[in-house]
This record gives sequence, C-alpha cells and structure tokens, in this order.
Amino acid sequence: GEDVEQSLFLSVREGDSSVINCTYTDSSSTYLYWYKQEPGAGLQLLTYIFSNMDMKQDQRLTVLLNKKDKHLSLRIADTQTGDSAIYFCAERSRSGGYNKLIFGAGTRLAVHP
Amino acid sequence: DAGVIQSPRHEVTEMGQEVTLRCKPISGHNSLFWYRQTMMRGLELLIYFNNNVPIDDSGMPEDRFSAKMPNASFSTLKIQPSEPRDSAVYFCASSDALLGTEAFFGQGTRLTVV
Repeated sequence: GEDVEQSLFLSVREGDSSVINCTYTDSSSTYLYWYKQEPGAGLQLLTYIFSNMDMKQDQRLTVLLNKKDKHLSLRIADTQTGDSAIYFCAERSRSGGYNKLIFGAGTRLAVHP
Repeated sequence: DAGVIQSPRHEVTEMGQEVTLRCKPISGHNSLFWYRQTMMRGLELLIYFNNNVPIDDSGMPEDRFSAKMPNASFSTLKIQPSEPRDSAVYFCASSDALLGTEAFFGQGTRLTVV
C-alpha cells in the first residue's frame, strides 16, 4: 500500500542545520516532494527529486534519496526563524493509470534563538 | 493566474447542517484533489478527479461526504449532515494531468462544526 511516514516535531537552534526524515512505501514512485506549510496557509512546493537521483541541492536545501531503503531527507542549512513551519514529505503514486500525491503527517519545525 | 481559489476561507456551522466547500482550480489543470488536514491524521487525500471524472474516492470518510466537478473550473465538497468530528482544514489542489512536478494548493477552508 501507499504510506509515507515522518517524525512529527523537530526543534533546532537558529543557525544550525535541520534534517527532516521521511520513509515511503511505494517503490515505483518516480517523484518525491517536500512541501512547506506556513501558519494559516496552504502547502507550497519547496523542492522535489526524481527517483533516479540520489541528491539534489538548491541553495540552503539538500535532498537526499536512498531508494533502496525508501528514505528521503531534507536538510536545511543555516536554519532561520523564517523556516519555522510544517514540512510535508510526499510521494507521487500511480494507481489505475493516474497519478496522485500521498503525504506524510508533516514535521513541525521550530527554530529558536 | 490567481492560483487555486477556495471559498469560504472559514466556515462555522452547527451540527446537522449541510456544508458546501468550493474550489476553482488553475486554468488548464485537469487533475483536482481534495485533502483534509487534522492534527490527529495529518493530510488525507479524500478524492481526486481527472478531466472532471472522479477517479478515486476511497478516502472519503463516509456517505455524508460527496464531491462533484461539474466542469473544468469548479468543484464542490459537500458534507451533509455535518458533525463536530468533521472539523478540519480542507484543501483543494490542482495539477496537470501527468502531475509532473507540482500540485498547487489553495489556501484551504477551515471548517468548525459546533
């Protein structure tokens, strides 16, 4: 079945690196995503990685994919207070010829001074 | 494009009342998704449409929930009758048919059933 799991909370000091982890079950997923949700807002795509890649870097963000273990991580370098939000991991799952996004429960990142 | 537009942003209703949530997807997108977000269950996929046709409604919790997409630019999620446990934030998202790299989310409707 389809399932995405991630830890619920992470607290880091400003300036440190944050690492948010995620595991997924659908080995046929071709895209894996990280979405960010700020308070009172919808989800916005932060970054994504194609399944034939094992790393993607975009400024302060680094995504690592271990396809064998079905493990995805998001590293935020030099974490700032503005990074405080809920981060969702998602996999693109194909069923009956159609694609859909399956999300984890979200990791609430709290950045403190 | 203004993005995915949901209305209302907030809805407070009494138990037993009918509630209708509305969504306008991004023009040209032909996949539409309804999600529900709660603290307990996170973000759940309720139903999704492709070319206005419901593809998978296995996430719809009960018969009290129904969704329609009468045309490419409008969808509704209806709860009748509503119950306090339906209180949540409901999100609509749209994407192109292949769901290439991104699904775009609306701002959500915060529903409170008292």
